[in-house]
Amino acid sequence: DAGITQSPRHKVTETGTPVTLRCHQTENHRYMYWYRQDPGHGLRLIHYSYGVKDTDKGEVSDGYSVSRSKTEDFLLTLESATSSQTSVYFCAIRTAGPDGLEQYFGPGTRLTVT
Amino acid sequence: AQKITQTQPGMFVQEKEAVTLDCTYDTSDQSYGLFWYKQPSSGEMIFLIYQGSYDEQNATEGRYSLNFQKARKSANLVISASQLGDSAMYFCAMREGRSNFGNEKLTFGTGTRLTIIP
Repeated sequence: DAGITQSPRHKVTETGTPVTLRCHQTENHRYMYWYRQDPGHGLRLIHYSYGVKDTDKGEVSDGYSVSRSKTEDFLLTLESATSSQTSVYFCAIRTAGPDGLEQYFGPGTRLTVT
Repeated sequence: AQKITQTQPGMFVQEKEAVTLDCTYDTSDQSYGLFWYKQPSSGEMIFLIYQGSYDEQNATEGRYSLNFQKARKSANLVISASQLGDSAMYFCAMREGRSNFGNEKLTFGTGTRLTIIP
């Protein structure tokens, strides 16, 4: 358990509305990531953060923005949700354990855009 | 080109048998890492095992081992003595390069759904 929580766990929203997903970690990890999971695609990186106010884009960043004002919180915002953003969203942190640079995932948020 | 390829969309295995899940990768980096994750029906992603490109020994974690064949660019997951609780989706992932900036992001395969038959 890497101390990662995500909120909300489930959300249904309408096309065109803004949505913010929250990732919270309690172990002071520097690196945090947002992924989306879709059938046939595995997990794909949306954005990542390497410190407070330090973020960068992943491979599927269009339509998403992120913010990290505190070490423990990494927010993912859909400015104007579209049906193509219906997905399961996972937050992850990176540790530097004895086995290498491992990423541990939160429980996920299932987002449905109608 | 796919960076991570998992060619088995689904597998059915008898309980207590060993199972091998295939994963091939494509990278030009000398330094990289290979991971396996398990995703049960409850949805969480569970880290199983890691292999670094410079590790000479195959990684093992309990009943899990990673059969790392660098020349073939394969990193197959072997589960010994399968159990009903092993039924899940399994994802292979790769981290390329080494970085101090956290941008050594993971690239995932599309997964293999493993079903253990009693």
